[in-house]
Amino acid sequence: SYELTQTPSLSVSPGQTTSISCSGDKLGDKFSYWYQQKPGQSPVLIIYQDNRRPSGISERFSGSNSGNTATLTISGTQAMDEADYYCQAWDSSTAVFGPGTKVTVL
Amino acid sequence: EVQLVQSGGGLVQPGGSLRLSCEASGFTFSGHWMHWVRQGPGKGLVWVAHINFDGSSTDYAASMRGRFTISRDNARNILYLQMNSLRVDDTAVYYCVRDVGVPVADRWAKWFDPWGQGSLVTVSA
Repeated sequence: SYELTQTPSLSVSPGQTTSISCSGDKLGDKFSYWYQQKPGQSPVLIIYQDNRRPSGISERFSGSNSGNTATLTISGTQAMDEADYYCQAWDSSTAVFGPGTKVTVL
Repeated sequence: EVQLVQSGGGLVQPGGSLRLSCEASGFTFSGHWMHWVRQGPGKGLVWVAHINFDGSSTDYAASMRGRFTISRDNARNILYLQMNSLRVDDTAVYYCVRDVGVPVADRWAKWFDPWGQGSLVTVSA
């Protein structure tokens, strides 16, 4: 079965830029998606189709996908960005999620 | 406003059954595949099942196949998840999600948006 891996956690200072990686075999041949989940809340789509932002999502969030790695970049990180971030791809008709990356804003 | 409002959930003993419901509004329900995704306590997201537009096609994660049944009532805009033979490790928050898909060149881009508010299912003696 297809698997995605992510760094479990990272810390970032306010105003800095940080990147979250998601790795999977030939992930660049698939579309990647990113969801943000804050404590006690449902996940929210923040990036779809590798690099597109839904309406209402801050321009601080951007995505890319190539080779075996998809990357979510948060520019000018704010305290409100502290959350868990999950990447997702499709293995045929099955949705596969990465294990998540906990982002702490110090 | 596109919205998914869930109901059901609760405490059930191992081996018991439970049905979750998810009422959709603000969009053409019959025009979308729908899914259930779960999240164990302190754990990540796990895809559970999907159902196509009219309910004629379904699929399940391996550990749920044969125990869970996804269904839909397009006349009432409701998605269901019937869970039987529940196990302690089925304890999780269950989310219903809308599948949004668009054709891109020779393939499809599909994503989950929005997510329901979640239903807590606790399986314990």
